Amino acid sequence: AAGVIQSPRHLIKEKRETATLKCYPIPRHDTVYWYQQGPGQDPQFLISFYEKMQSDKGSIPDRFSAQQFSDYHSELNMSSLELGDSALYFCASSLMTGANTGELFFGEGSRLTVL
Amino acid sequence: GNSVTQMEGPVTLSEEAFLTINCTYTATGYPSLFWYVQYPGEGLQLLLKATKADDKGSNKGFEATYRKETTSFHLEKGSVQVSDSAVYFCALISSGTYKYIFGTGTRLKVLA
Repeated sequence: AAGVIQSPRHLIKEKRETATLKCYPIPRHDTVYWYQQGPGQDPQFLISFYEKMQSDKGSIPDRFSAQQFSDYHSELNMSSLELGDSALYFCASSLMTGANTGELFFGEGSRLTVL
Repeated sequence: GNSVTQMEGPVTLSEEAFLTINCTYTATGYPSLFWYVQYPGEGLQLLLKATKADDKGSNKGFEATYRKETTSFHLEKGSVQVSDSAVYFCALISSGTYKYIFGTGTRLKVLA
């Protein structure tokens, strides 16, 4: 069965550079979530989209932005990167409509290292 | 607002010991409840779920029962294995919303 696909899996950037992470949800899923997990930390919710519209916003820095496109894939754009942005970034998708219980399916994550 | 409270870790057990990880919640309405597990170097994956009061979710020998009267969803396993070493997250989502609420995660280490 198709899973959530994230790319790239690993990314190395310098301070003040920009980075873009991509997420391809499971087909027919209508909701996408982004999480940031620092070393030894719990995942922190960044932002979510339902049917291509932003549905909720968490602790996402102003330097970050995200969107969901017509084909339902999502991109997380990070600018003016800081050392503290080094983390594992997870995307998750879910189907929230109908009688679904809304379980999340996570991708394997994109590891960003800022030098 | 909605919230999830988990027992703090780390929890260290010997193989074949009994496991309980406590989880209590605060939510309006009738949330769905979940346990997710994160193995080292991997993303989170669903372990089990329950969508209404008195439902019991179970998977891989783990169980949790949705207790509305005590607003709890404690995770249990009768005999843990070294391969169960991971971080466990309790979570809820309220009906009619898209917002997941995760607990802070409990790290389990099982020793051979």
